[in-house]
Amino acid sequence: DIQMTQSPSSLSASVGDRVTFTCRASQSISTSLHWYQQKPGKAPNLLIYAASSLQSGVPSRFSGSGSGTDFTLTISSLQPEDFATYYCQQGYSLPRTFGQGTKVEIK
Amino acid sequence: QVQLQQSGPGLVKVSQTLSLTCDISGDSVSSNTAGWNWIRQSPSRGLEWLGRTYYRSKWYSDYAVSVRSRITINPDTSKNQLSLQLNSVTPEDTAVYYCAKSETGGKFDPWGQGTLVTVSS
Repeated sequence: DIQMTQSPSSLSASVGDRVTFTCRASQSISTSLHWYQQKPGKAPNLLIYAASSLQSGVPSRFSGSGSGTDFTLTISSLQPEDFATYYCQQGYSLPRTFGQGTKVEIK
Repeated sequence: QVQLQQSGPGLVKVSQTLSLTCDISGDSVSSNTAGWNWIRQSPSRGLEWLGRTYYRSKWYSDYAVSVRSRITINPDTSKNQLSLQLNSVTPEDTAVYYCAKSETGGKFDPWGQGTLVTVSS
């Protein structure tokens, strides 16, 4: 199985901050990497697919990059509604696997 | 717009069978481009993909090794829904269960609303 490792596990930030977090795959997954946002009590919501493509309806302050084993998700200017947990997921092979999440908290 | 609506009991006894359904609107379970998945989430295991079914001229299913001996995911074309059966449950199967659609590249979108299933004696 491909292991997905996210860092940090949590971070504190302020509204307006630029935040970046990373996801590393245990083997190369090309660009088959997707990012989700999850708020408490809700299902994960797709933000970025194929490493860098913005899902329809997602604000442009979200961006993704990377290929191979190392990927990043960036929020250019953190908004109050962005405080949530973010997960990466590889779609390269079965079984599909997720990172353990990065929780973004209010500083 | 695809929407997934889950239903099923929230409490299952140890050793019994967990059964959930996922009603699909805005798409077809028989789509030749989609896959239909079950994923669960628990504090101890995080997000865990359980398996999928999909139609490509015939029906296929794939399952996670961790549950392969206990799981069945079936399509119901007459009701346009997806079902999950997980046999011989233990407290370790306590989780929020989600259905989700997948397409090319393995991304999951959308997801059902989630069902908290508690396994107890």
